[in-house]
Amino acid sequence: GQQVMQIPQYQHVQEGEDFTTYCNSSTTLSNIQWYKQRPGGHPVFLIQLVKSGEVKKQKRLTFQFGEAKKNSSLHITATQTTDVGTYFCAALSGGSNYKLTFGKGTLLTVNP
Amino acid sequence: DADVTQTPRNRITKTGKRIMLECSQTKGHDRMYWYRQDPGLGLRLIYYSFDVKDINKGEISDGYSVSRQAQAKFSLSLESAIPNQTALYFCATSDHSRDGQYFGPGTRLTVT
Repeated sequence: GQQVMQIPQYQHVQEGEDFTTYCNSSTTLSNIQWYKQRPGGHPVFLIQLVKSGEVKKQKRLTFQFGEAKKNSSLHITATQTTDVGTYFCAALSGGSNYKLTFGKGTLLTVNP
Repeated sequence: DADVTQTPRNRITKTGKRIMLECSQTKGHDRMYWYRQDPGLGLRLIYYSFDVKDINKGEISDGYSVSRQAQAKFSLSLESAIPNQTALYFCATSDHSRDGQYFGPGTRLTVT
């Protein structure tokens, strides 16, 4: 089945530093979604990217979809303690069954 | 009130017992999903349903069964629980397969 590799597995930063997590696939993706899960919480949908080379921003978060639609990234500028959590990418497979395959996530911790 | 609810929120059961986890949603979505989350493994799809008459196996369906009683209700059963089914279980819904998914608060299941 489709696999989505996400790196790094963990990232610890000082508050104010930037953070980036990467998602890679060996196959072309139909689209990619990003989720955030706070400690003890449930995944919350952040955004979906569909077009090749697409870039979307949500305040300090920037999401990119690669030109070949095989990779994506989430960049947080000037992290805050409220950014703590695990960030997951999830790729949609094509064909007759549309279901998400999740990456293993990147756990972000922020030192105040 | 929460859009996606799960019951119970926590459950401890013994090996060999049958257990049912329930999910209800008020979002009016046709598509519902069951995932399990294990530390370091991300979210893995157990079963998904695109409507009441359509149920599909995910990547880890062995040992599980599901029932879609109505558009709003999707339950997951463990016929004979085993310790390696100890995990956090999430139900999710989406309006269309290509849309972001909305997760319930999760059920923490421990099998002793």
